[in-house]
Amino acid sequence: GNSVTQMEGPVTLSEEAFLTINCTYTATGYPSLFWYVQYPGEGLQLLLKATKADDKGSNKGFEATYRKETTSFHLEKGSVQVSDSAVYFCALSDAGNNRKLIWGLGTSLAVNP
Amino acid sequence: DTEVTQTPKHLVMGMTNKKSLKCEQHMGHRAMYWYKQKAKKPPELMFVYSYEKLSINESVPSRFSPECPNSSLLNLHLHALQPEDSALYLCASSQEDRGDYEQYFGPGTRLTVT
Repeated sequence: GNSVTQMEGPVTLSEEAFLTINCTYTATGYPSLFWYVQYPGEGLQLLLKATKADDKGSNKGFEATYRKETTSFHLEKGSVQVSDSAVYFCALSDAGNNRKLIWGLGTSLAVNP
Repeated sequence: DTEVTQTPKHLVMGMTNKKSLKCEQHMGHRAMYWYKQKAKKPPELMFVYSYEKLSINESVPSRFSPECPNSSLLNLHLHALQPEDSALYLCASSQEDRGDYEQYFGPGTRLTVT
């Protein structure tokens, strides 16, 4: 079945450091891929998405490229800020039922000043 | 307006109480969702409504009863809950007619069952 694997956290970085959070997936068909972010005490926000191979999603300085050959969708940011401290979830749409999202376990990021 | 609102923000209830969670969206979305999220875990899908009809029930116990009065509103009725039901309950919505299923989430209701 479909699945998403994220790197385990927590990840701790200093402000202005480069961020990579790895996400790989197993899926049949051509799912859409998403990154969601959850700030402390809040709901989930869609950070970026990609719907087909080689698409690059980007938002708020974050980027991720849909790599079908490596089944990956790694999240990157060139210079993190303290305000980026949050939990990041990678997800894919279930090809059999696009309303269902398959979630990674989440990666907690803490950015220190 | 890409906002989903949820009320109340916090709720404490006893195991014999009946309460309801409410969710509203004004984005014209025709699919609405209830999720349960435990701390430091991904959200777990509970129910999906599509065009105001229940389309997915993820084998949720009957003490949780969803209702979709119209295309903008979604309720979750709670009765005889257990302490293990304490969690963050998230509502979400998405488009249905463009093949675009990205989901927009509300801020959640933090439920504590005593």
